Amino acid sequence: QKEVEQNSGPLSVPEGAIASLNCTYSDRGSQSFFWYRQYSGKSPELIMSIYSNGDKEDGRFTAQLNKASQYVSLLIRDSQPSDSATYLCAVNDYKLSFGAGTTVTVRA
Amino acid sequence: NAGVTQTPKFQVLKTGQSMTLQCAQDMNHNSMYWYRQDPGMGLRLIYYSASEGTTDKGEVPNGYNVSRLNKREFSLRLESAAPSQTSVYFCASSDIGGDRVSPLHFGNGTRLTVT
Repeated sequence: QKEVEQNSGPLSVPEGAIASLNCTYSDRGSQSFFWYRQYSGKSPELIMSIYSNGDKEDGRFTAQLNKASQYVSLLIRDSQPSDSATYLCAVNDYKLSFGAGTTVTVRA
Repeated sequence: NAGVTQTPKFQVLKTGQSMTLQCAQDMNHNSMYWYRQDPGMGLRLIYYSASEGTTDKGEVPNGYNVSRLNKREFSLRLESAAPSQTSVYFCASSDIGGDRVSPLHFGNGTRLTVT
């Protein structure tokens, strides 16, 4: 079993809709959780970090963490064409493990 | 303030050749990492250095060596390149405080092709 699993995608959403990305992890001791966005041919850039159970909002992005269910999600509200990218979930133990990524396409 | 700088950006090698990928960070981070990224595989950790003077294997270390030259610099060496090492390589750095890992800061990547 992979340490970090993401919904495989690709995910296509219309402009203005909500994009929902999911991630599960295997290590119950994980303490730090991150979502990165990666545009084609570019390096990953951090968009959200979350450390405690519950929701964390930053602009149009909301991360949700449920440690009991070993689940972290990312919601993108009012999706824009500029949100079209691959989104990577990352979870730490002594180092960060990444999911394979979910590619999101926002249709204008 | 450059962040994480990797060189070179692109490289083509023949099978059996060697090369070193260079990485330097100016954020005073303790930890540095080398990842490779292949289509559909996400980012896989090759080696990491939790602090100056230490290095440890990650998920896919075979065929690679690393050197943590000082706090700023962490290099990745391919001694005898193989086509399976064709990939995009990312260097990253971070700090660790208590149980929490701070986010990784990535370099711009090195696109390596081995023929």
